[in-house]
Amino acid sequence: EIQLVATGGGLIQPGGSLRLSCADSGFIVSNNDMTWVRQAPGKGLEWVSFIYSGGTTYYADSVKGRFTISRDNSKNTVYLQMNSLGAEDTAIYYCARVRSGSYGEVDYWGQGTLVTVSS
Amino acid sequence: DIQMTQSPSSVSASVGDRVTITCRASQGISRWLAWYQQKPGKAPKLLIYAASSLQSGVPSRFSGSGSGTHFTLTISSLQPEDFATYFCQQSNSFPLLTFGGGTKVEIK
Repeated sequence: EIQLVATGGGLIQPGGSLRLSCADSGFIVSNNDMTWVRQAPGKGLEWVSFIYSGGTTYYADSVKGRFTISRDNSKNTVYLQMNSLGAEDTAIYYCARVRSGSYGEVDYWGQGTLVTVSS
Repeated sequence: DIQMTQSPSSVSASVGDRVTITCRASQGISRWLAWYQQKPGKAPKLLIYAASSLQSGVPSRFSGSGSGTHFTLTISSLQPEDFATYFCQQSNSFPLLTFGGGTKVEIK
């Protein structure tokens, strides 16, 4: 069964940094376009960032300049480096695959990792 | 930026009811729309893509329709496992994605 596992979340003080990782068994991450989506407690889904299989990246305006998405295909892992964190970044962060050659739908989701920004 | 507006924000329904959820885009997005189901404490699950294509493994009681700016998700006969929150998502501005605010389907 295909499984994406997101790790790296936790409690961090405002202004701090955190790096999230998303790994799988070896098929999804290394060969596909990947994205991060977050969900603040009790709120809806917010797209955060996207990386093509070839490495080109995109960001939501709310995180541009603070977050960096990257990938290491040799480790089947995608990362989200988050800097200058604020309370508004508190959320569950999901990594997910965007199905290629289709209509931009997200067909595989990880279980999510919780990031809490608080002093 | 394309905005996605879902309505209603919540709906109370009984098992066996027909439920329809609406999603409107702030500008035309052709058929670049997907629907997801999310249960508490779980990741979203893809139900519908390309506005009306059923994801593999999803029951046929779920259906999607629409194009341009107006879309609907219909559950033809609500089952106990369908009580959840539903989100639409546009990908016309791919890879920048936008989600609707969600519709919670609750037990009447």
